[in-house]
Amino acid sequence: GAVVSQHPSRVICKSGTSVKIECRSLDFQATTMFWYRQFPKQSLMLMATSNEGSKATYEQGVEKDKFLINHASLTLSTLTVTSAHPEDSSFYICSAQRRGSTGELFFGEGSRLTVL
Amino acid sequence: KQEVTQIPAALSVPEGENLVLNCSFTDSAIYNLQWFRQDPGKGLTSLLLIQSSQREQTSGRLNASLDKSSGRSTLYIAASQPGDSATYLCAVYSGGGSEKLVFGKGTKLTVNP
Repeated sequence: GAVVSQHPSRVICKSGTSVKIECRSLDFQATTMFWYRQFPKQSLMLMATSNEGSKATYEQGVEKDKFLINHASLTLSTLTVTSAHPEDSSFYICSAQRRGSTGELFFGEGSRLTVL
Repeated sequence: KQEVTQIPAALSVPEGENLVLNCSFTDSAIYNLQWFRQDPGKGLTSLLLIQSSQREQTSGRLNASLDKSSGRSTLYIAASQPGDSATYLCAVYSGGGSEKLVFGKGTKLTVNP
């Protein structure tokens, strides 16, 4: 099966600092990657869609200057939370769609961000 | 706007029972529907993917059905085991050039030994 690796799995940072989360498709090329966040006892909420080589498309209410997404290659997308605040503490999950697939998505293990 | 609802929110059963998880969606114009499993603090594991043209998919003890016209899907788990304890999420993909998945809030399943 297709494997998506997310790193780091847990990160604690001070308020005001920036944190970068990586999402890699290990054994396939991902034309599109998605970033979600999940608050406790809530469903996953799509933050943004990133296509390789182009700018990410952000969902309504998601600050593009705060959540920087880069999809530099067909196997790597990064999410940078800039000037993090405690309310940014959440579980961030990425997913990737394999090139030529029928819509099935493969998910990373998620990254738990805690902002002190 | 597509909305996905999962009932029940939580379910506790003794080991060995067969059980059904329900998922409903408001817009029947979907491309596919996926069932996922999420363990605490972990990412998602895709369990079953049903294309809009399909009625059901089976994998081991899992069987998922899709009734697109009524906006419903069920996940049937046979002979449940404690290792099945997790939150089960369903998500629909409406296509149309958008790759967005709309998720339900999940059903938290506990299988007691």
